[in-house]
Amino acid sequence: NAGVTQTPKFQVLKTGQSMTLQCAQDMNHNSMYWYRQDPGMGLRLIYYSASEGTTDKGEVPDGYNVSRLKKQNFLLGLESAAPSQTSVYFCASSPRTRLSSYNEQFFGPGTRLTVL
Amino acid sequence: GIQVEQSPPDLILQEGANSTLRCNFSDSVNNLQWFHQNPWGQLINLFYIPSGTKQNGRLSATTVATERYSLLYISSSQTTDSGVYFCAGRGGSQGNLIFGKGTKLSVKP
Repeated sequence: NAGVTQTPKFQVLKTGQSMTLQCAQDMNHNSMYWYRQDPGMGLRLIYYSASEGTTDKGEVPDGYNVSRLKKQNFLLGLESAAPSQTSVYFCASSPRTRLSSYNEQFFGPGTRLTVL
Repeated sequence: GIQVEQSPPDLILQEGANSTLRCNFSDSVNNLQWFHQNPWGQLINLFYIPSGTKQNGRLSATTVATERYSLLYISSSQTTDSGVYFCAGRGGSQGNLIFGKGTKLSVKP
């Protein structure tokens, strides 16, 4: 199993450009998450998806959009990139079912994004 | 929201030394996890430990949920242990993890 994979690994954008970060998981997990990590800090939640077709805003959603059309994929879009969105982006997934309290999260390798 | 505090923020060890990292929570949390972020930025799952004690080789972790803290023990440290150690707990209704700011560990040969 590949676990959680992310593409691309690195990206440089100019202010105002748009792009989509891709995330895929092969563990049949219900929940998926997008986090960002800024220097010297832990991770903060951007968006969350409890199941295919559903998404919710997290702590820092402004300037982003997401889609979860398939259970295994969670896409993060930047509509008009800004320098403040320079960060490392991590995707994660977890089982999270109503029948079990087990909810360990597994993370992808990250995408390092620079906005000039 | 829940606050997660990690201590110490920085730690320098000589190879072979032991250490204890601490994580305190401002409120009760579920699904506590410890991660190691290596120098290449990868987040590696160390422990999923909502309560009790677990061991994996030279690493072990203990969570006392009723007292809102968790400890990570590293014994006989190696240079490959260097990096940042994060604890995180699920405190939000969305199931996301709330992260501490991490402990930066440097192990010198």
